[in-house]
Amino acid sequence: DTAVSQTPKYLVTQMGNDKSIKCEQNLGHDTMYWYKQDSKKFLKIMFSYNNKELIINETVPNRFSPKSPDKAHLNLHINSLELGDSAVYFCASSQARSGYEQYFGPGTRLTVT
Amino acid sequence: AQSVAQPEDQVNVAEGNPLTVKCTYSVSGNPYLFWYVQYPNRGLQFLLKYITGDNLVKGSYGFEAEFNKSQTSFHLKKPSALVSDSALYFCAVRGGSYIPTFGRGTSLIVHP
Repeated sequence: DTAVSQTPKYLVTQMGNDKSIKCEQNLGHDTMYWYKQDSKKFLKIMFSYNNKELIINETVPNRFSPKSPDKAHLNLHINSLELGDSAVYFCASSQARSGYEQYFGPGTRLTVT
Repeated sequence: AQSVAQPEDQVNVAEGNPLTVKCTYSVSGNPYLFWYVQYPNRGLQFLLKYITGDNLVKGSYGFEAEFNKSQTSFHLKKPSALVSDSALYFCAVRGGSYIPTFGRGTSLIVHP
């Protein structure tokens, strides 16, 4: 049983396009996150939602917009893709009462050409 | 602002020898400390955490970590390394702001 799943696993697209990445967790967690991992493996938090409410919104271009239709889903939409957006994007989830450890999805490798 | 430092980009150890991966942190309030492991082309996996209580915490795959408040450190250890432990290890902290901050990662290479 997959705990945190992301689709698609790979995404190759051209500059200027708009794309979405979907994330679902079946752990019953109340908090979900999006991270960006660059080519040097540096991991940076982008957004976090708790019970469908945005609680963390780090310095991210407005072209990135998260959407949480319910506690189990957190999607990431990216407008006007740029070369610098190429990275691996990870979704994660956690539960406050269990200590906030995060469970990560397998990642979506985005390549912008 | 909270921060995490992993001073070594890479740690090399022979199989069967003990290993240590270092982590120091800076945070306001009481820290929640975590270690994660990332294998190639995979997501991060949770290894262990410290929230309160015993300074020595045990986690998955025989790993443990020691919380040292005075040195603001949370080093990851294992008594006997395996080749299969070779991976990228991340230390993370969250404090009063509840924003998680990750270190830059340490690549562990265990030689046969």
